[in-house]
Amino acid sequence: KQEVTQIPAALSVPEGENLVLNCSFTDSAIYNLQWFRQDPGKGLTSLLLIQSSQREQTSGRLNASLDKSSGRSTLYIAASQPGDSATYLCAPYNNNDMRFGAGTRLTVKP
Amino acid sequence: DAGVIQSPRHEVTEMGQEVTLRCKPISGHNSLFWYRQTMMRGLELLIYFNNNVPIDDSGMPEDRFSAKMPNASFSTLKIQPSEPRDSAVYFCASSPFGLGANTGELFFGEGSRLTVL
Repeated sequence: KQEVTQIPAALSVPEGENLVLNCSFTDSAIYNLQWFRQDPGKGLTSLLLIQSSQREQTSGRLNASLDKSSGRSTLYIAASQPGDSATYLCAPYNNNDMRFGAGTRLTVKP
Repeated sequence: DAGVIQSPRHEVTEMGQEVTLRCKPISGHNSLFWYRQTMMRGLELLIYFNNNVPIDDSGMPEDRFSAKMPNASFSTLKIQPSEPRDSAVYFCASSPFGLGANTGELFFGEGSRLTVL
């Protein structure tokens, strides 16, 4: 069974900082990996999907990288804003099974 | 597209009562997933369907839980009888691709918050 770990569990930064969220997984035989954002009391919103053949994906200020062999992915957020405050979850996908990490709770202070 | 639609958004019930949660996936999506989220255990996969067929229900916690997908546009998750420890947010998600596909972006509904007293 896939085990997913996200570090740090919580992060508080001042507005404008660049930051990196880390995700590691135990089973590297994945088809893809997805990063999500969850606001309090809300559902999950897909941010980026990285296919197993890709090494990174970019969307605006977000960049996600994937290293399958080492079982790691990072989400880079540039020039953070208070609106980025949320919980970020990574989810590697294999064998029609998508497992989630516990998430990183990000607070961006104005 | 309206996205994944779940109902009810909130449900408060008493222990022992039957609870039915409903989900309408995005039109054209082949796969449907039910997740449960709690503070203690995070997001847990309960069951997923592909082309309306249950593929893996190993995450269903007990026989009190059952899920059905009678057609491509509707699924239910039923708890009977409900217990206080079932209190959680239940999410439904759908994906446009089927078994073993090398894509599989997942789209989530807003969730159904269940409180069992």
